[in-house]
Amino acid sequence: GAGVSQTPSNKVTEKGKYVELRCDPISGHTALYWYRQSLGQGPEFLIYFQGTGAADDSGLPNDRFFAVRPEGSVSTLKIQRTERGDSAVYLCASSSPGLAGALSSYNEQFFGPGTRLTVL
Amino acid sequence: AQSVTQLDSLPVFEEAPVELRCNYSSSVSVYLFWYVQYPNQGLQLLLKYLSGSTLVKGINGFEAEFNKSQTSFHLRKPSVHISDTAEYFCAVITQGGSEKLVFGKGTKLTVNP
Repeated sequence: GAGVSQTPSNKVTEKGKYVELRCDPISGHTALYWYRQSLGQGPEFLIYFQGTGAADDSGLPNDRFFAVRPEGSVSTLKIQRTERGDSAVYLCASSSPGLAGALSSYNEQFFGPGTRLTVL
Repeated sequence: AQSVTQLDSLPVFEEAPVELRCNYSSSVSVYLFWYVQYPNQGLQLLLKYLSGSTLVKGINGFEAEFNKSQTSFHLRKPSVHISDTAEYFCAVITQGGSEKLVFGKGTKLTVNP
């Protein structure tokens, strides 16, 4: 079946502009995650959705970053007034519902190919 | 808060054994993972440790051993191929806590002929 898809694959913008990055999760996956991978670094958590609501947005760096998932499927990461330091690969992942009460439960996160954002 | 430490890079020759080291820091119990990222591709799960046997086998002939006393989860392969050239990320997630993965900076494995 189809994996996680992200569009666009590359985005070049100018400092101060607004950008939107889109993530299509695997069908049926209720959890969706955004990570940011800067050059030479590992991915860093931004935000996690369970259904339509943000269950954990502690990784968003500041109020220029915002994400939505209005229907519990597709998610959009929005960045206002972009800065050069926002340049990175933005990764999306999704996972399926867990087993209630299961011991050692973990719902594998499946990653998309990422969107490479370059702010000039 | 959790943190994960990895070497930046590791060059090896084809057919040599390899060990990619991962040490973590956490005040609570964690689950552990190794992900691989081939050039221009997304992250792929190699293997994970949730519980049970501390020796975990993954895809592509890789295995890892969880050592709680040393807070380590080193990744090994007895004989590498050119195609194993990639970036390898160790990650942890808090047991019963937030769903967010905490990644190390990654180790760039380069397999030379």
